[in-house]
Amino acid sequence: EDKVVQSPLSLVVHEGDTVTLNCSYEVTNFRSLLWYKQEKKAPTFLFMLTSSGIEKKSGRLSSILDKKELFSILNITATQTGDSAVYLCAARVGSGNTGKLIFGQGTTLQVKP
Amino acid sequence: NAGVTQTPKFQVLKTGQSMTLQCAQDMNHEYMSWYRQDPGMGLRLIHYSVGAGITDQGEVPNGYNVSRSTTEDFPLRLLSAAPSQTSVYFCASSYSTGFVNEQFFGPGTRLTVL
Repeated sequence: EDKVVQSPLSLVVHEGDTVTLNCSYEVTNFRSLLWYKQEKKAPTFLFMLTSSGIEKKSGRLSSILDKKELFSILNITATQTGDSAVYLCAARVGSGNTGKLIFGQGTTLQVKP
Repeated sequence: NAGVTQTPKFQVLKTGQSMTLQCAQDMNHEYMSWYRQDPGMGLRLIHYSVGAGITDQGEVPNGYNVSRSTTEDFPLRLLSAAPSQTSVYFCASSYSTGFVNEQFFGPGTRLTVL
């Protein structure tokens, strides 16, 4: 059974802290690993990772994939209150025309002023 | 473009009632999917469709039916609602399965089954 597990499930930090969110996966026909940020409503796309060891960056957020150890991390430096959200990772699986996303449980991040 | 729209935003049902959650997109996307989100469970795929006339089951399909008669619409039917189906439902679409990372999510429907 395909499985994506995130840790920690929740995290409380203060503004300026650096956080690392973890995502491990056990799936068949792995294609890529995706990160989403979810505030009040629908998830919004952050990163897609396909290759091991190549860091993706967007401002204070960065992410990397390890396909040998089957995990990814999402780093947020100099956190701000606006980073408070649920962070979801998902493994894209399937081949050809059958690709779909398997999501982890999410990590709830609260950044206090 | 309106993007992905879902109706209703909120719904309360009694056990055993049936209803249809509507999802529509105006981006000519081939791939559409339905997820449910429960506390501590992330998003779980219910059903998905790779094009008009084609649907397939996701992780948690039991108790739900879908159809895809047009590219634009992908309704989700609950035939006999159960309290276990209390959840937030998201519909999503993307250009194709190859672009599933660029899924656009609808605003969600919060369903409560009493």
